[in-house]
Amino acid sequence: DAGITQSPRHKVTETGTPVTLRCHQTENHRYMYWYRQDPGHGLRLIHYSYGVKDTDKGEVSDGYSVSRSKTEDFLLTLESATSSQTSVYFCAIRLAGGSYNEQFFGPGTRLTVL
Amino acid sequence: AQSVAQPEDQVNVAEGNPLTVKCTYSVSGNPYLFWYVQYPNRGLQFLLKYITGDNLVKGSYGFEAEFNKSQTSFHLKKPSALVSDSALYFCAVRTLSPGTASKLTFGTGTRLQVTL
Repeated sequence: DAGITQSPRHKVTETGTPVTLRCHQTENHRYMYWYRQDPGHGLRLIHYSYGVKDTDKGEVSDGYSVSRSKTEDFLLTLESATSSQTSVYFCAIRLAGGSYNEQFFGPGTRLTVL
Repeated sequence: AQSVAQPEDQVNVAEGNPLTVKCTYSVSGNPYLFWYVQYPNRGLQFLLKYITGDNLVKGSYGFEAEFNKSQTSFHLKKPSALVSDSALYFCAVRTLSPGTASKLTFGTGTRLQVTL
């Protein structure tokens, strides 16, 4: 998994509660991404980061925020979780050296919002 | 906008037979295309990519993909399927907007079922 870990791996929470998912990488990659995976939609980009404190929105960013205070950690926060945010969340990194380089994915976090 | 389409939700094939998983793309400019595989309860694994050059790209686990510019397709193929190839397959295209980092846009996925 390219040195990528995600925590927690599973979480059940209630509507309206804040949730933070963590992505940790050990190889000093500059680019990191958060996706959600839902049946019939494939993977959709939530937010991404191109360096410490440098982040940008993806196609489904509403209701999510991110932070990257150090290279190895990229946090995804649901400020007030809703049932529509029940999903599997994947973190990915992209190798530097070319914008066409492939991404490598973490093992995922399964989030259930009741 | 850059996009890919996977027209089949599921593909069924018998072990030993050739398999094809279809992908068509819509891009402005040169397409950079990728295939990923996802086994149950796992993250996505990179299989192969097309950047430029030969239209037939070889990747991991015996998979290959054929780039066809006139048909705007990038179909994934394997000459002889294995039961262990059963998984979810995603096609993706690189998207790049001015002033932003490159991103991947994924198709909706195709489930491959290989039976004995």
